[in-house]
Amino acid sequence: EIVLTQSPATLSSSPGERATLSCRASQSISNYLAWYQQKPGQSPRLLIYDASKRATGIPARFSGSGSGTDFTLTISSLDPEDFAVYYCQQRSSWPTFGGGTKVEIK
Amino acid sequence: EVQLVESGGDLVQPGGSLRLSCATSGFTFSSYNMNWVRQAPGKGLEWVSYISSSSTTIFYADSVKGRFIISRDNAKNSLYLQMNTLKDEDTAVYYCARSSHSGSYLIDCWGQGTLVTVSS
Repeated sequence: EIVLTQSPATLSSSPGERATLSCRASQSISNYLAWYQQKPGQSPRLLIYDASKRATGIPARFSGSGSGTDFTLTISSLDPEDFAVYYCQQRSSWPTFGGGTKVEIK
Repeated sequence: EVQLVESGGDLVQPGGSLRLSCATSGFTFSSYNMNWVRQAPGKGLEWVSYISSSSTTIFYADSVKGRFIISRDNAKNSLYLQMNTLKDEDTAVYYCARSSHSGSYLIDCWGQGTLVTVSS
């Protein structure tokens, strides 16, 4: 099983700041990496797939990068609605998720 | 509008069984691969099972293999999860989830989830 490790576990930031979230895979997954956002009491929402492609309707402030084992989700300027938990997920083999990064208001 | 509506979640004793259903609308169900993903209270996400559009390919997580059975009825636009020999660690919100056409193990639409609680 491919293990995904997300860091940091919690990111305290203010609206308007840049947020950088990391996801590291235990072995190479090429670019088969997706990012989801989950707000309290809601289902997850697909943000980024294949490491860098934005899903339909996702604002341009969300961007993804990386390949192999190291990946990054960047939110260029945090909007109040962006405070949530973010999960990475790989589909190189049986799909697994990272443990999540909570982006909270400082 | 695409809709996935789960039902069937309940409180069940360890060793018991439960059947989850997912009613879908707003898209051509028979053209999409489907999944169940779960989330234990306050925890992260775990992929439980996958079924291809024609039911020819089915996969399970090791944690549920031999106990859970995924199925679908394309005529009824519905997905199911038969859960047997339930354990405490199966307690979670279970999401019905649609695979994207961009990749089988890529979810582009989620239901709201149904809570399964396994406890004596």
